[in-house]
Amino acid sequence: KQEVTQIPAALSVPEGENLVLNCSFTDSAIYNLQWFRQDPGKGLTSLLLIQSSQREQTSGRLNASLDKSSGRSTLYIAASQPGDSATYLCAVRSNYQLIWGAGTKLIIKP
Amino acid sequence: NAGVTQTPKFRVLKTGQSMTLLCAQDMNHEYMYWYRQDPGMGLRLIHYSVGEGTTAKGEVPDGYNVSRLKKQNFLLGLESAAPSQTSVYFCASSNLGQANQETQYFGPGTRLLVL
Repeated sequence: KQEVTQIPAALSVPEGENLVLNCSFTDSAIYNLQWFRQDPGKGLTSLLLIQSSQREQTSGRLNASLDKSSGRSTLYIAASQPGDSATYLCAVRSNYQLIWGAGTKLIIKP
Repeated sequence: NAGVTQTPKFRVLKTGQSMTLLCAQDMNHEYMYWYRQDPGMGLRLIHYSVGEGTTAKGEVPDGYNVSRLKKQNFLLGLESAAPSQTSVYFCASSNLGQANQETQYFGPGTRLLVL
């Protein structure tokens, strides 16, 4: 059974720092891996989708990598800003379902 | 273009009461999903639908029923609410043209408290 883990559960860093969020999964047979952002009281917004054949995807200050063989993905945020404060969730696609991690709550201190 | 909307935003129920959560999408998506999100846990799939008139069970379907009578709407029903169903419920939709291209679009969530 696929399991997705995100460590740490919470992270607080000063504004301007580069940071890395981690996601690990137990079964390497995935179609893709996605990173989402969740703001309080709002729904989830897709940030990046990495196909199983890809190694990384970039969007602005965000870069996501995927290493299927080791069951790991990282989300790199460059030059963090207070507006980046949110909960970040990763999800892997197995068959028709997305299997989700519990998320990392990120706080960027001004 | 409203995307995915959910009704209501918040509801309090007593144990044993019933209610229906409504999800609507205006993107002509084939696939729709209902998730629940509990503290410290990832989203868990309750039920999903791959097209109008079809539904299927997800990871945690017990105590819930769903219907997809119209392509744009996906209803989640609780026949006899229990305190364990206190959660935040999210609806999502997608067009699964190719499995590795799919992105799900989420509604803002419904916060449900069962006393």
